[in-house]
Amino acid sequence: DGGITQSPKYLFRKEGQNVTLSCEQNLNHDAMYWYRQDPGQGLRLIYYSQIVNDFQKGDIAEGYSVSREKKESFPLTVTSAQKNPTAFYLCASSMFVGDRINTGELFFGEGSRLTVL
Amino acid sequence: GENVEQHPSTLSVQEGDSAVIKCTYSDSASNYFPWYKQELGKRPQLIIDIRSNVGEKKDQRIAVTLNKTAKHFSLHITETQPEDSAVYFCAAPRFGSGNTGKLIFGQGTTLQVKP
Repeated sequence: DGGITQSPKYLFRKEGQNVTLSCEQNLNHDAMYWYRQDPGQGLRLIYYSQIVNDFQKGDIAEGYSVSREKKESFPLTVTSAQKNPTAFYLCASSMFVGDRINTGELFFGEGSRLTVL
Repeated sequence: GENVEQHPSTLSVQEGDSAVIKCTYSDSASNYFPWYKQELGKRPQLIIDIRSNVGEKKDQRIAVTLNKTAKHFSLHITETQPEDSAVYFCAAPRFGSGNTGKLIFGQGTTLQVKP
């Protein structure tokens, strides 16, 4: 069953702790993304990766880090430097990052809800 | 960089009525405009998209229109049904200085269809 899987679905963190959200895809997609969803603010891009061992900052990268050691995996670490980490995090993948000719449809995971206590 | 504004933030309609959601974008180079639907507790999914070389696209009860001159595009849902209730997001690519475009999303519209 092809798709994109995020874990855990719910996560609680104490202030000052780093946490890592997992994202795995078996769609053989080159590009992967992390978005943050807050009420009334839509989906904001945190990081994205076009290819293994390469990733780029999005609009709200401060306090987050990522790695892309394998094509299938794009974990997101929410560090203690992130001032307001409580949010819903969505991972997505696409066949490629769109260019001026082609654009890839995003396939989303089911999300991870992080709450800082 | 690209800015995408979406209105309204909430929309309530009676079953059977039409619903229209509008988005504006700022990057004249944007060439692709998708709409995603997110049902409560579920992942966003693409429902329709339009490319900049056409002005309108329809798929059964949903349609998207694009006005490149005015830099706005709209989602139209006709004969709304309760299962249309969801959050809808528009998006447009931001190209920046390179050739690759990252999708920038609007703020979302919560559509409620009352039976």
